[in-house]
Amino acid sequence: AQSVTQPDIHITVSEGASLELRCNYSYGATPYLFWYVQSPGQGLQLLLKYFSGDTLVQGIKGFEAEFKRSQSSFNLRKPSVHWSDAAEYFCAVGAYGGYNKLIFGAGTRLAVHP
Amino acid sequence: SAVISQKPSRDICQRGTSLTIQCQVDSQVTMMFWYRQQPGQSLTLIATANQGSEATYESGFVIDKFPISRPNLTFSTLTVSNMSPEDSSIYLCSVTAGENTEAFFGQGTRLTVV
Repeated sequence: AQSVTQPDIHITVSEGASLELRCNYSYGATPYLFWYVQSPGQGLQLLLKYFSGDTLVQGIKGFEAEFKRSQSSFNLRKPSVHWSDAAEYFCAVGAYGGYNKLIFGAGTRLAVHP
Repeated sequence: SAVISQKPSRDICQRGTSLTIQCQVDSQVTMMFWYRQQPGQSLTLIATANQGSEATYESGFVIDKFPISRPNLTFSTLTVSNMSPEDSSIYLCSVTAGENTEAFFGQGTRLTVV
């Protein structure tokens, strides 16, 4: 069965520090992978997506993610975190039989210290 | 990208009653989905809303509890029936324009059942 694991429930970083949020997936074929961000009281905003091609994907707000098939990972990175990046981050994989049906990880809550 | 309007944005309901949530998209879309996000949890797919036919429900969700309509390509409703406090969640509408495209989300409906 398809699944997504985000090992880190909470992460705290200082403003200006680098960030990496981990995501591992279980999927029997080439996956469609996504990172979404959810700010308090808000819906989900797509940060970036991987469908095929270049395994290093650039997204909005300075985020990037790298697809590593050998590690079944799709980690999200940002070189310098801003206080406004504090939010919940969800990794998701497109499910069998409907690429647009998403299976979400548990989420990682990011706190940013000034 | 699609602009999704969900109504209501939040509601407090008495147990045993029903609430209908509306999802309106500003353009014709192929797929519409309904997700549930329980407090402090990730998102779980409830069902795929099919235009002009019965929705396709995921394991653990049934039509009697979550009836869904989709009369056209831009509008869908989700009803939460015979509510109990366990139904307190955020309910999100999601749309995609087709395969190999990303999913967009509404702002969600925050439901509290008392």
